[in-house]
Amino acid sequence: KAGVTQTPRYLIKTRGQQVTLSCSPISGHRSVSWYQQTPGQGLQFLFEYFSETQRNKGNFPGRFSGRQFSNSRSEMNVSTLELGDSALYLCASSSIQTGNSGNTIYFGEGSWLTVV
Amino acid sequence: SQQGEEDPQALSIQEGENATMNCSYKTSINNLQWYRQNSGRGLVHLILIRSNEREKHSGRLRVTLDTSKKSSSLLITASRAADTASYFCATDRINNNAGNMLTFGGGTRLMVKP
Repeated sequence: KAGVTQTPRYLIKTRGQQVTLSCSPISGHRSVSWYQQTPGQGLQFLFEYFSETQRNKGNFPGRFSGRQFSNSRSEMNVSTLELGDSALYLCASSSIQTGNSGNTIYFGEGSWLTVV
Repeated sequence: SQQGEEDPQALSIQEGENATMNCSYKTSINNLQWYRQNSGRGLVHLILIRSNEREKHSGRLRVTLDTSKKSSSLLITASRAADTASYFCATDRINNNAGNMLTFGGGTRLMVKP
């Protein structure tokens, strides 16, 4: 079974541009969540999608958005990029609807975004 | 914001020794998961422990959970150079709309010297 797949793995963008990152969850997983990892702030939750609906959202500005498609694949978009958006963006997927039952959350290799 | 803290922030040991990492968190949780991250890579899931469990084993890993103290520990026995990585604990808070939203600690950087 393939793991969580993220594309692209590395990208460089200029301030003010926008970027779209893609994530394919493990087959059969319907929950997809996104995290940002930086040296200063650590790992922070961005948002989570389940059945094409955003179910949870972290404390990030509206420049960060996402969506999920009917096949559970997800994309996140960052508009008007700032230098501080440089980070490793991680996608995760899980099979069970809620966290109450203790479901394992699997992560992809991440997309390294550098904003110059 | 970080849910909790991990202690120590960095740990250096010799191959064959045991490594113990601790994690504290602030709110009531459903479960706690430990992850490993090699430099520049994604997170690898190690073990999940539910809030009603006190101890769990997986190979050379032993995880304990003390919900009264809001803390967990990860023990790696007979460490190997390949265990060199950062280790993170992540909690899934009790919430009516919990979904799958993890809150991470700051991580422990483990170096195992050959």
